[in-house]
Amino acid sequence: QQQVKQSPQSLIVQKGGISIINCAYENTAFDYFPWYQQFPGKGPALLIAIRPDVSEKKEGRFTISFNKSAKQFSLHIMDSQPGDSATYFCAARPRGSTLGRLYFGRGTQLTVWP
Amino acid sequence: ETGVTQSPTHLIKTRGQQVTLRCSSQSGHNTVSWYQQALGQGPQFIFQYYREEENGRGNFPPRFSGLQFPNYSSELNVNALELDDSALYLCASSLPETSTEAFFGQGTRLTVV
Repeated sequence: QQQVKQSPQSLIVQKGGISIINCAYENTAFDYFPWYQQFPGKGPALLIAIRPDVSEKKEGRFTISFNKSAKQFSLHIMDSQPGDSATYFCAARPRGSTLGRLYFGRGTQLTVWP
Repeated sequence: ETGVTQSPTHLIKTRGQQVTLRCSSQSGHNTVSWYQQALGQGPQFIFQYYREEENGRGNFPPRFSGLQFPNYSSELNVNALELDDSALYLCASSLPETSTEAFFGQGTRLTVV
């Protein structure tokens, strides 16, 4: 059972464009929603995270939009660069769970063309 | 670099064998989580160790077991390997008392033939 559903599976964007990746969850007991970036041969690295009491969080070119009522959250990458080409995972942590216990989406492979 | 190191980086085993994977957590981190990442999938939570005790387990059979040592490094053991165990195994360390972030190692690529 996939606790966090992520789309699209792959995304191709031109340099300077906006990349948008969407995630949806069903378990309302999640209380922490991070996004991870993974390059080939590397482990996932935390990109940005949000808690459900906030509707939007921005860090540089990366923005998370969170819709609690719809149980959806999305990652927007503004001014996408070739260096952003990687696999992106959304994740969610159950309330009361320890930090390391995360449910991940299946991932989105982003390719940014120069 | 996250300061989380895993060994070995690659491993090939035969079905039915046993394997031990190792993780050295970031300095001072007392919590280690293990994940299995099949090709083209997101990581799946196997279990977590906090101060040498198992502290939560995902939907994995008992042949997946682990240990955490007093220095907070950790081992993942898998017995009776199956072909479907082929995956990237990731460990993540964290210090829940002070930070919200879990830091991942680069993973061990296990191939079962």
